[in-house]
Amino acid sequence: DTGVSQDPRHKITKRGQNVTFRCDPISEHNRLYWYRQTLGQGPEFLTYFQNEAQLEKSRLLSDRFSAERPKGSFSTLEIQRTEQGDSAMYLCASSRTSGDEKLFFGSGTQLSVL
Amino acid sequence: QQQVKQSPQSLIVQKGGISIINCAYENTAFDYFPWYQQFPGKGPALLIAIRPDVSEKKEGRFTISFNKSAKQFSLHIMDSQPGDSATYFCAASMQNSWGKLQFGAGTQVVVTP
Repeated sequence: DTGVSQDPRHKITKRGQNVTFRCDPISEHNRLYWYRQTLGQGPEFLTYFQNEAQLEKSRLLSDRFSAERPKGSFSTLEIQRTEQGDSAMYLCASSRTSGDEKLFFGSGTQLSVL
Repeated sequence: QQQVKQSPQSLIVQKGGISIINCAYENTAFDYFPWYQQFPGKGPALLIAIRPDVSEKKEGRFTISFNKSAKQFSLHIMDSQPGDSATYFCAASMQNSWGKLQFGAGTQVVVTP
């Protein structure tokens, strides 16, 4: 059990650029979640996958955001035309299917949009 | 609109003391209430969780007290240690989407030697 891995740990970009983050969940975890956390706040749910299917998206996830989990293993979160308001920590978490309510979080990707 | 309200924002406790953090919720459909601990530069880590069919759950020095009628729950950290210095988040979710957590705003706990 190597834990949830996120890459990169830090990303600095200019407004208007596209960025992509990667998350590798704990192996054999069927569910994968993306959360966003701003300074001084708790994480906010963005979206989640059961295997390769994206089952729910928050209204926080604007059209500029897209997430994929093509083979039911790793996931990517892409933000197009970044805005300064997108600056936040993007957290990935994984879990087994229902019956085991333990969500394991990665260390996150800190995005700064200049 | 924040569905889970957490207080205090921060607290300082001496080593060996008790840290108490409180949370309140409005949505009666919530039925899973975890607490997470987060250190700087790290993601949140599950500390302890409770369901509303019990009023208290204890794991080591950490205890959750749950008051269903008041829609409140709290975390007690007994015999607080400097290594407990972190930010603590309460959260809540519903049975059919337990991983979709609504987090409180967090409490920064500092334990002085």
